[in-house]
Amino acid sequence: DGGITQSPKYLFRKEGQNVTLSCEQNLNHDAMYWYRQDPGQGLRLIYYSQIVNDFQKGDIAEGYSVSREKKESFPLTVTSAQKNPTAFYLCASSKVLGDGTEAFFGQGTRLTVV
Amino acid sequence: GENVEQHPSTLSVQEGDSAVIKCTYSDSASNYFPWYKQELGKRPQLIIDIRSNVGEKKDQRIAVTLNKTAKHFSLHITETQPEDSAVYFCAASGTWGKLIFGQGTTLQVKP
Repeated sequence: DGGITQSPKYLFRKEGQNVTLSCEQNLNHDAMYWYRQDPGQGLRLIYYSQIVNDFQKGDIAEGYSVSREKKESFPLTVTSAQKNPTAFYLCASSKVLGDGTEAFFGQGTRLTVV
Repeated sequence: GENVEQHPSTLSVQEGDSAVIKCTYSDSASNYFPWYKQELGKRPQLIIDIRSNVGEKKDQRIAVTLNKTAKHFSLHITETQPEDSAVYFCAASGTWGKLIFGQGTTLQVKP
């Protein structure tokens, strides 16, 4: 069953701790993305990657870090420097980063800071 | 910078009526405009998209129109049904083709 998988679905973090969200795809897509979803603010781009070992900052990268060591995987680390990390995080992938390719989304991870 | 504005933020219609959601974008180089539907608790899924060389595209009850000169595009849903109730997002391709999303529209279709 092909697709893009995020884990865990729910995640709780204590203030001051780093936490890593997993994103895996078996669609053989080159491009991967991380978005943050807050009520009334749509989907805001955190980081994106065109190819293995390469990634770029999006609009709200501060307090986050990523890696792209494998084509299939694009984990997101929410660091203690992120001031307001409680949100719904969506990972997506597309065949290429370029003109007009559909982005497929994972089911999301809801992160809550306690 | 790259920006997509979406209106309205909420929309309530009676079953069978039409619904229209509008978006404007800032990057004149944008050439791909998808629309996503997100049902409650689920992931966003593509429902229709349009490229800059086309002014209108239709798929059954949904259609999208694009005005590149004015830099705006719209989603039209006709004969709405309760299962159309969801959050709808527009997007435009930005630098390097990455997608910039609008703020979302919550559509409620009343039976």
